[in-house]
Amino acid sequence: DAGVTQSPTHLIKTRGQQVTLRCSPKSGHDTVSWYQQALGQGPQFIFQYYEEEERQRGNFPDRFSGHQFPNYSSELNVNALLLGDSALYLCASSLGGDRAQPQHFGDGTRLSIL
Amino acid sequence: AQSVSQHNHHVILSEAASLELGCNYSYGGTVNLFWYVQYPGQHLQLLLKYFSGDPLVKGIKGFEAEFIKSKFSFNLRKPSVQWSDTAEYFCAVKMNTGFQKLVFGTGTRLLVSP
Repeated sequence: DAGVTQSPTHLIKTRGQQVTLRCSPKSGHDTVSWYQQALGQGPQFIFQYYEEEERQRGNFPDRFSGHQFPNYSSELNVNALLLGDSALYLCASSLGGDRAQPQHFGDGTRLSIL
Repeated sequence: AQSVSQHNHHVILSEAASLELGCNYSYGGTVNLFWYVQYPGQHLQLLLKYFSGDPLVKGIKGFEAEFIKSKFSFNLRKPSVQWSDTAEYFCAVKMNTGFQKLVFGTGTRLLVSP
């Protein structure tokens, strides 16, 4: 039973560039959430996708966008990268949209902005 | 806005010592509560959760947590820690309505010396 998988594991970009991160949810899960974890901080919620729609969004600018595909996988896109976007980006999957189900996390993508 | 406070940022214990990590949240409505653990080099894993019912919940690896509604607290405990418990522990809260995000605390880094 595959857990949550994220790619790539590490990424180095420069300011102003754009990046796409990918996530495949745990088998059987249909809801994907994205979090940003800066060094020494807890994960901060970016947004959540269910049935290919963004259902809830955290306090992140429009430079952060996402997509969910019919197979429930998801992408996180960040445009016009800033130094402050350097962080670990976590994907979490769960079952049932708005139901209270625990989220399962992937290993994350470490994004470094030079 | 919801917030989660973890009072201890770093805790150092000897093996067999007892552990209690504090977690307080700010939200007056019905919440779901979680403790996640991140072992070195691994992804966030669910340790235990509280949705409703008995406020004393038991999780994996001998951990337990007590929900005290009047104190808005969900403290994590373990009677006797092991070296393998060395990890970072995150408390998280989710409102129990609709599509809602997980709000994390800043984490507590636990070091258990053999």
